[in-house]
Parts: sequence; structure tokens; C-alpha cells
Amino acid sequence: DADVTQTPRNRITKTGKRIMLECSQTKGHDRMYWYRQDPGLGLRLIYYSFDVKDINKGEISDGYSVSRQAQAKFSLSLESAIPNQTALYFCATSDPGQGAYNEQFFGPGTRLTVL
Amino acid sequence: QKEVEQNSGPLSVPEGAIASLNCTYSDRVSQSFFWYRQYSGKSPELIMSIYSNGDKEDGRFTAQLNKASQYVSLLIRDSQPSDSATYLCAVNEGGSGNTGKLIFGQGTTLQVKP
Repeated sequence: DADVTQTPRNRITKTGKRIMLECSQTKGHDRMYWYRQDPGLGLRLIYYSFDVKDINKGEISDGYSVSRQAQAKFSLSLESAIPNQTALYFCATSDPGQGAYNEQFFGPGTRLTVL
Repeated sequence: QKEVEQNSGPLSVPEGAIASLNCTYSDRVSQSFFWYRQYSGKSPELIMSIYSNGDKEDGRFTAQLNKASQYVSLLIRDSQPSDSATYLCAVNEGGSGNTGKLIFGQGTTLQVKP
């Protein structure tokens, strides 16, 4: 089984709909991250969490919210989806025991299309 | 703003050649450097980590780090068509007091031609 899983893998929705993307991990890592990737813009950090009670905004958090339900689960919500949120979304994890090393491991991604 | 710069390419090399991918970064206190490989439509896969100046080899891959020049590179020896992908350079933010975040470059597309 994959260490980091994301559901759904593909989603097509309409403008104004509420969408939740889910991420689960079995790596036992405390740190979890949500990124979006757009052609030509690289990976951009949306939100990150260092433990269940620690949530931080990344560089592009507007229009998104997150929930850290447990050490292993980190969900990303789009409260009212808009077309420019069409992108590839990745969840990632890392282990703070690595200190400054901060290797991050990515889930398979969710391709979201907002019509 | 802290940045990681990569040439977007595409970098085209013949099968069996050495591919050289380069990356520069602006955060002088960064201590950890990573190379990820990403196939089209797939997720980034960590292939190399390097933390000290010099070279680190793993199979056909060699990562090179020069902190004084703020430069990190990835060499792929005996390139194969299966190496054709986008290679992302990533740098940890903040050095020893690191923020727990990585700064990613936009990636270099490598094409290995049979």
C-alpha cells in the first residue's frame, strides 16, 4: 500500500461548489503539506501543519481551508470553487526527527477541474 | 523573496550521455537540498538529498553542492529514455532555524533521445 494516499484522484466540479480533498499517510510523519501545481508556475504551498494543533498558511491560502483530523489525515477544502483553482493538488509529508533535512514525500495527486 | 532558479529547458541529450541539471538558490542559510523527478501528470519523487559541500553519488545520479556559490547540480550518467522527466530542485528554508518548508524551482525538462 502507498505511504501517502489522496482521494479523489480526479474530480470535475462546477463553480461555486464546495470540494474537499483528502490526504492520509501511514509514514508516521508529523508534518503534512498541501501544494498546488500549475503549468509554468511550479509547486506552490497552500497550507501546512506540523501537528494536529498547528496549522499554517502558505503562500497561496486564499480561497482554501484545511483540517488536520489526526496525525495521519489532512484535508483541503475549497469552500466555493472557482475556475482558476483548476490545478493538480499534492499532499506531502515530512518527519521533524530529520531536523534540518526536511525530506518531503508526495502523494499521487488530485487533478481538479472547476468548470 | 527567497528563490530557487532552474533553466526550464528542455534539455535534450542522446541516450548514454551525461545529463547535467543546474540550480541556484538565494537563501544563504539553507542547509538541505533535494532533487525530485516528476513524470508528466505524476507526483514528484525524491531521488537525491545533499547536505554538505561536494559530491554525493547514488547509482547513475550524482548531486553536487557548492554553498559558497549557492549552486546545486544533478548529473545523470548513462542517460536512458526512461530518465525523460521534469527535475525539480528544492531547498529548505531557513537553515538551522528552518521553517520546515521547501522552496521549489520550476523544474528542468529532460529529454533523452534513443
